[in-house]
Amino acid sequence: QVRLKESGPRLVQPSQTLSVTCTVSGFSVTSYHVSWVRQPPGKGLEWVGAIWKGGSTDYNSALKSRLSISRDTSKNQVFLKMNSLQTEDTGTYYCAKHSYWYFDFWGPGTMVTVSS
Amino acid sequence: DIQMTQSPASLSASLGETVTIQCQASEDIYSGLAWYQQKPGKSPQLLIYGASSLQDGVPSRFSGSGSGTQYSLKISSMQTEDEGVYFCQQGLKYPFTFGSGTKLEIK
Repeated sequence: QVRLKESGPRLVQPSQTLSVTCTVSGFSVTSYHVSWVRQPPGKGLEWVGAIWKGGSTDYNSALKSRLSISRDTSKNQVFLKMNSLQTEDTGTYYCAKHSYWYFDFWGPGTMVTVSS
Repeated sequence: DIQMTQSPASLSASLGETVTIQCQASEDIYSGLAWYQQKPGKSPQLLIYGASSLQDGVPSRFSGSGSGTQYSLKISSMQTEDEGVYFCQQGLKYPFTFGSGTKLEIK
């Protein structure tokens, strides 16, 4: 059974770094791509970036300078790090499994608030 | 970036009514389009991929069509459990982009 679960801090101070972990089961991160998608409260979805099954990454160019996506294949985990956080980075962060270029399984998401 | 324009932003439908949601891409996306349903407090769920292929487990009252820059999602007989927000997504080019969403409610 495919499952993804995000974990991370609920509150981050402005200018600090966000670190979120996606722990997956039911598939291997070396066999399927995994993306991060975020959603500000009450708003739409924004693709943040992806780590491909081969280990390379692609990032949304609007966020690229602040982003890092990596993985631990032994633990079947994918990591998101975003620095220099601002209030507009507040929202729910989802990890999602790819099937080709679309997302067939999503985690429940983790809500992150950027505030002092 | 490819812009995805969804319409309408919201609509209400009666039980059993046919509902259609539109999505327009800023350039040809060659059927690289998916539709998702999101219920309050939940993550999005894949309904349609490749513009018209139904994801496993999704009721057959959902269907997708379109080509080029114009796509649509149809619900052939609105049910109470179909309430939610619907998003389209293009997968042709990075960054993957989503429409702004259509909120569907029961009338």
